[in-house]
Amino acid sequence: QKEVEQDPGPLSVPEGAIVSLNCTYSNSAFQYFMWYRQYSRKGPELLMYTYSSGNKEDGRFTAQVDKSSKYISLFIRDSQPSDSATYLCAMSGMFSGGYNKLIFGAGTRLAVHP
Amino acid sequence: NAGVTQTPKFQVLKTGQSMTLQCAQDMNHEYMSWYRQDPGMGLRLIHYSVGAGITDQGEVPNGYNVSRSTTEDFPLRLLSAAPSQTSVYFCASGDRGSGANVLTFGAGSRLTVL
Repeated sequence: QKEVEQDPGPLSVPEGAIVSLNCTYSNSAFQYFMWYRQYSRKGPELLMYTYSSGNKEDGRFTAQVDKSSKYISLFIRDSQPSDSATYLCAMSGMFSGGYNKLIFGAGTRLAVHP
Repeated sequence: NAGVTQTPKFQVLKTGQSMTLQCAQDMNHEYMSWYRQDPGMGLRLIHYSVGAGITDQGEVPNGYNVSRSTTEDFPLRLLSAAPSQTSVYFCASGDRGSGANVLTFGAGSRLTVL
C-alpha cells in the first residue's frame, strides 16, 4: 500500500465548474500538507501549503485537511482553462536535521474545457 | 533570478553508458534533491542534500550517485544506465525556513535509455 493515494484521473470539467481533488494517506505522522501544480512539460510549483487540520483559502483555491480521516482535498471554484494541469498532493512529517522528506501522490490530471 | 536550472533537457543513452545530470540553484538554498517522475508513480525521491558535503539516500537511490561540493550545485550521476532509468528527472531546492516543504523545481530532464 502506498503511503499517499491519489486518483490519477483524468478529470474533465467544463469551464466554471467546481473541481474537487483528493488524496488519502496512511501515515499519521504527517503534519504538513501541500498541493503542487504541474503544467505539461514543466516542473511542479507550489499552490497551497497547510499545517495540521483545517481549511485554507487562496483566491479560487481552498485546501482542506481532515487528519482524523487521513484525507485532504483541494477545491477549485470557477475553474478556468488555465487550470488545466496535473495536481500533486504532497505531505511530510518531521525528521532529524529540521528538513522534511516530501511524499507525493501520483497526481491527478485535470482538463477544463471552454 | 534563474531559480533552479537543469541541463540537459533531453538525453538519449544506450544501456551501460554513464552520464551526469546537472542542477544549479541561485537562491542560496541549503536543501537540494533529485526526484524521478514516472507515469502512475508520482515523484519519487532519489537523493537529497542538506548542505555542502552532506548527502543522503531517498526512496529509489540504486544506480545513482550524487555529490554536493558547493551550495549551488547538485549533480546526479547515472553509473551504468539501464532501460528502467528512462524517466523524467527533476531537481528541487528548498530553504530551512520551510523545512524544505516549499520546493522550487527545475524544468526537468527527460532521459531515455535504449
